[in-house]
Amino acid sequence: LAKTTQPISMDSYEGQEVNITCSHNNIATNDYITWYQQFPSQGPRFIIQGYKTKVTNEVASLFIPADRKSSTLSLPRVSLSDTAVYYCLVGSSGDSSYKLIFGSGTRLLVRP
Amino acid sequence: DTGVSQDPRHKITKRGQNVTFRCDPISEHNRLYWYRQTLGQGPEFLTYFQNEAQLEKSRLLSDRFSAERPKGSFSTLEIQRTEQGDSAMYLCASSKGGDNTEAFFGQGTRLTVV
Repeated sequence: LAKTTQPISMDSYEGQEVNITCSHNNIATNDYITWYQQFPSQGPRFIIQGYKTKVTNEVASLFIPADRKSSTLSLPRVSLSDTAVYYCLVGSSGDSSYKLIFGSGTRLLVRP
Repeated sequence: DTGVSQDPRHKITKRGQNVTFRCDPISEHNRLYWYRQTLGQGPEFLTYFQNEAQLEKSRLLSDRFSAERPKGSFSTLEIQRTEQGDSAMYLCASSKGGDNTEAFFGQGTRLTVV
């Protein structure tokens, strides 16, 4: 399973764009990159998934360079309610060994 | 509500007692995962099922922990002879499998061992 590395914490202010980068140097050909968000006392919630280039949904964008060794989750115009822990996961659920392994995540604090 | 359901939401037990948690996944989701999470840490993988088959169990998990998923539907996680170190949030998740890695998590069961 590809190991991921992401910053422990980030601070931002309301209305700013936040970019959280995740490194996954040994990503495999079949691996997808998935980001989850977790609020205190709740289970993680799926945000976005991508394989290459750029993916955008109503919540975030995911940028993946050609070598796929890193990815960047972009949250446009964050609000206080975006304060949460963000996890980057790498793997292929088509692989029977895929286990959704979480690291320590990035704690994002959005200030007024 | 068609999300992942966990029961109970909270459990307080005395050290040495056995506890059992239940997870009802989203209907037709083949995969079911159990995690344990302590304060300030990411969810720690415990075990997962593909339908009724338990495909893997974490090596960190002692033999006091056991999980079942009869008929590939709901799942139970039992902890025997609980210890204070078992106090944590226990999370269940389910997914369709295939190329979609989106998993849906329940609200968790918070266990406190006193």
